[in-house]
Amino acid sequence: DQQVKQNSPSLSVQEGRISILNCDYTNSMFDYFLWYKKYPAEGPTFLISISSIKDKNEDGRFTVFLNKSAKHLSLHIVPSQPGDSAVYFCAAILNQAGTALIFGKGTTLSVSS
Amino acid sequence: KAGVTQTPRYLIKTRGQQVTLSCSPISGHRSVSWYQQTPGQGLQFLFEYFSETQRNKGNFPGRFSGRQFSNSRSEMNVSTLELGDSALYLCASSLRTASTDTQYFGPGTRLTVL
Repeated sequence: DQQVKQNSPSLSVQEGRISILNCDYTNSMFDYFLWYKKYPAEGPTFLISISSIKDKNEDGRFTVFLNKSAKHLSLHIVPSQPGDSAVYFCAAILNQAGTALIFGKGTTLSVSS
Repeated sequence: KAGVTQTPRYLIKTRGQQVTLSCSPISGHRSVSWYQQTPGQGLQFLFEYFSETQRNKGNFPGRFSGRQFSNSRSEMNVSTLELGDSALYLCASSLRTASTDTQYFGPGTRLTVL
């Protein structure tokens, strides 16, 4: 039973436009959410995170929004660049379960120039 | 500062054999977690070691085990390999001052079981 779901396996966006990646979760006890980016033959790279007590966190071109009532979070990338093309993973942490990251299956973002 | 390193990067084994993978965390990081990535199941948590003790374990059979040394380096062992163990094995390190400390991943070890 998947607790973190990324329902769109892929997303294509033009350079300069906004990319919106979505993530849904089922466990309302999750304390913390993160986004990782992964290029082929590399490990995931941390992008941005948000605590469950916040609804928005921004870091440069990346903004994460959290809607707890809908159990939904999204990552906005503005403006999108070709170098952003990668697989994006949403992950969650349940504090009482330690540091285990629970990942979604990822969304492949392709940014064309 | 050097990142997380994993050795070997690629490994081919046959069913029934055992394998040991190694992970060196970022200097100063005391927590090492291991994850398995497969096309079907995605990224799944295996276990976490902190100060040489296993602190947390995912839902994997006992054939998967690990340990951590006093210098925080960690090894993961899989015994009696099965075809389904073919995967990318990733380790991640963190400071572990809080469970939400950022985890930094290594490049992974690609294990193929024939």
